[in-house]
Amino acid sequence: GEDVEQSLFLSVREGDSSVINCTYTDSSSTYLYWYKQEPGAGLQLLTYIFSNMDMKQDQRLTVLLNKKDKHLSLRIADTQTGDSAIYFCAEGSSYKLIFGSGTRLLVRP
Amino acid sequence: DVKVTQSSRYLVKRTGEKVFLECVQDMDHENMFWYRQDPGLGLRLIYFSYDVKMKEKGDIPEGYSVSREKKERFSLILESASTNQTSMYLCASSMGQGGPEAFFGQGTRLTVV
Repeated sequence: GEDVEQSLFLSVREGDSSVINCTYTDSSSTYLYWYKQEPGAGLQLLTYIFSNMDMKQDQRLTVLLNKKDKHLSLRIADTQTGDSAIYFCAEGSSYKLIFGSGTRLLVRP
Repeated sequence: DVKVTQSSRYLVKRTGEKVFLECVQDMDHENMFWYRQDPGLGLRLIYFSYDVKMKEKGDIPEGYSVSREKKERFSLILESASTNQTSMYLCASSMGQGGPEAFFGQGTRLTVV
């Protein structure tokens, strides 16, 4: 069945780059997504990539998609303390999303 | 701004009670979803609805039911609450076609005692 896997925790120093990785199983997914959840809040869409793209850049965020390996990554440049949150990878279409377990990013001053 | 509003941020209910979680969206979205979020398990889909009065089971529907009588409102019902249903519940909505983005409510933290 469908499955999305992520590591649970990442710690980086302020100003460094963060890279959060994700693997998925459903090769028919239309889109792949990154959501951010701050403490006490719901999920907020950060960015998404269409499945026929390899890369998408949006300001400090870079998404890389390797369809062959079913691997998705999110790179945050110049990570700030405000980036501390849980980041969820998800696959699917607008009809249904399958989420990973989330990666907790801790940014140290 | 798209808004998905869940009726309660925090709820405490007793075992065996019938519990209603309400969700309202104001963007005329066709699709609505209920997820539960537990530490280390991510978000798991309970039920979703792609149209009024239509519903589909997600990955963990046992112990839950849903109701969608109006397009903007999607209710999650715990027929007889149990302690293992203590969790964070998240509602989301999305357009029926073309738009990839799902918008989430702020979540309801339910504790069953």
